[in-house]
Amino acid sequence: GQNIDQPTEMTATEGAIVQINCTYQTSGFNGLFWYQQHAGEAPTFLSYNVLDGLEEKGRFSSFLSRSKGYSYLLLKELQMKDSASYLCAVSLTGGFKTIFGAGTRLFVKA
Amino acid sequence: DAGVTQSPTHLIKTRGQQVTLRCSPISGHKSVSWYQQVLGQGPQFIFQYYEKEERGRGNFPDRFSARQFPNYSSELNVNALLLGDSALYLCASSLEGTTYGYTFGSGTRLTVV
Repeated sequence: GQNIDQPTEMTATEGAIVQINCTYQTSGFNGLFWYQQHAGEAPTFLSYNVLDGLEEKGRFSSFLSRSKGYSYLLLKELQMKDSASYLCAVSLTGGFKTIFGAGTRLFVKA
Repeated sequence: DAGVTQSPTHLIKTRGQQVTLRCSPISGHKSVSWYQQVLGQGPQFIFQYYEKEERGRGNFPDRFSARQFPNYSSELNVNALLLGDSALYLCASSLEGTTYGYTFGSGTRLTVV
């Protein structure tokens, strides 16, 4: 079967750094994505990892270890607008099916 | 450029009815995927179409069907609606497959009463 696990909720302070972890067990792997979803809105693409290592994009970084089935999303210099759900998603072999985790709701407090 | 457009934005249906949801992908995108998202959960994969052919299907009953048209737009049909079908239905387009990530539409909020 396919399984993606992420923490349900996290709280962090404005200006701080937060790391959101994701572990996955899937029957195939073609890449890992992170999406941001604000309440009542559609998910928006944040990052994509297909090889092991760290990908940095401004205040957001994403890390992947394929051997461990593990990824994390690192958010630096947190802003109030970063309060949202963060979805970890795995594209399965063949690239025609992507499955999502349940999402991590991040609350940024002043 | 227009993003992914979905219609209608909101819909209320009665149990047992049928519904058709529509999606227009970003210009140049040949792949459309459909997801169901229940409040508080991640999107659940329903279908993917690429070049008008079904390339992937999730664990949904046969009441759910879809198709893709020559202009790459897509429709999702759900027959014999159940209360549990109430959800946000998201359409996502991509260049091909899912390798390059999705661009999602704003979704159709379906309420079954």
